[in-house]
Amino acid sequence: QKEVEQDPGPLSVPEGAIVSLNCTYSNSAFQYFMWYRQYSRKGPELLMYTYSSGNKEDGRFTAQVDKSSKYISLFIRDSQPSDSATYLCATQTGANNLFFGTGTRLTVIP
Amino acid sequence: DGGITQSPKYLFRKEGQNVTLSCEQNLNHDAMYWYRQDPGQGLRLIYYSQIVNDFQKGDIAEGYSVSREKKESFPLTVTSAQKNPTAFYLCASSTGPGQPQHFGDGTRLSIL
Repeated sequence: QKEVEQDPGPLSVPEGAIVSLNCTYSNSAFQYFMWYRQYSRKGPELLMYTYSSGNKEDGRFTAQVDKSSKYISLFIRDSQPSDSATYLCATQTGANNLFFGTGTRLTVIP
Repeated sequence: DGGITQSPKYLFRKEGQNVTLSCEQNLNHDAMYWYRQDPGQGLRLIYYSQIVNDFQKGDIAEGYSVSREKKESFPLTVTSAQKNPTAFYLCASSTGPGQPQHFGDGTRLSIL
């Protein structure tokens, strides 16, 4: 079983839609949760960083962690064509190893 | 501007050849990391270093080597022992364990 599972998509939505991206993880020791956005031929860019359970909001982006069900989500409100990218979830225990999902490719259609 | 610089952007390797990928950061981060990204497999950790002159193997270290002689630099050598080196290589840094990692823009390595 992979440490982190993520639906690879692809996911296509119309501009202005609410996007929901999700991951599940297997290790209950994971405490730190991240979402990265990666444009084609670029490195991942950190979008959201959360510790333990709960919600964190930053502009149009909301990250949600439910440790009881080992489920992490990223919501994008009022999606824009510039949001078209691959979104990677990642988690770690607090040691150095960061475990990544395989990424979900999102396309926002104007 | 603070950030992580990887070079070159594209690199080609001949059979039996070692190649070195450069990673430099000016974020004053203590920890640095190398990942390999393959389609459909996500990022996998090759090596990491928490301090100068110290580094640890990650999940897929075979066929790779690193050095950490300076805080800001963490070069990765892909040796001829790595039989499937074609991939996108990403360098990252952080202030330490448990802290968010920030990435460079990668080097794409291909075989001639």
